[in-house]
Amino acid sequence: GENVEQHPSTLSVQEGDSAVIKCTYSDSASNYFPWYKQELGKGPQLIIDIRSNVGEKKDQRIAVTLNKTAKHFSLHITETQPEDSAVYFCAGGGGYNKLIFGAGTRLAVHP
Amino acid sequence: GAGVSQSPSNKVTEKGKDVELRCDPISGHTALYWYRQRLGQGLEFLIYFQGNSAPDKSGLPSDRFSAERTGESVSTLTIQRTQQEDSAVYLCASCSLTGGTEAFFGQGTRLTVV
Repeated sequence: GENVEQHPSTLSVQEGDSAVIKCTYSDSASNYFPWYKQELGKGPQLIIDIRSNVGEKKDQRIAVTLNKTAKHFSLHITETQPEDSAVYFCAGGGGYNKLIFGAGTRLAVHP
Repeated sequence: GAGVSQSPSNKVTEKGKDVELRCDPISGHTALYWYRQRLGQGLEFLIYFQGNSAPDKSGLPSDRFSAERTGESVSTLTIQRTQQEDSAVYLCASCSLTGGTEAFFGQGTRLTVV
């Protein structure tokens, strides 16, 4: 079935450094790849998304890249800040009808 | 309301009892998802609705789990004869179309089976 794998499961960086999270998916019919941020005790919130007809998208300190041939996509956070600390989930890979999420990456940004 | 609303926010139940979890999606959103999130884990897909029908219920873990949606609005997830392994946060999300658009999540229902 559809599957999304996400790495690393935990990531620790110093404030100001960059953080990169990578995901791979199995369903070649997928065309939508969002990234969600989940803070403690809250539901996930969309931070950026990318569609299959685009290779890269940027929004301030956040960027996402997509390689459809290799079936992988990545989240890049530059100039990290302590408030970036959270769990990040990638999603996609489920074709048009449902979102399948990766297992999540717990990001810790240390001052 | 402005967002996806779930109730109750917390539920403690005794093993063997049935529970109902409610999701009020954003008005006009045709797609509705249920996910389960165990402590420290990822989002496990349970079921997806398009309108009032469920084209994909492949994630329901057992026949103790069922869900329905009425009026292309409210959805109820029912767990019968709850077990301790059912303890988790149950998250609901809605979006305006199937795939390809932002899914908005509720705050979740934290279910504890004792």
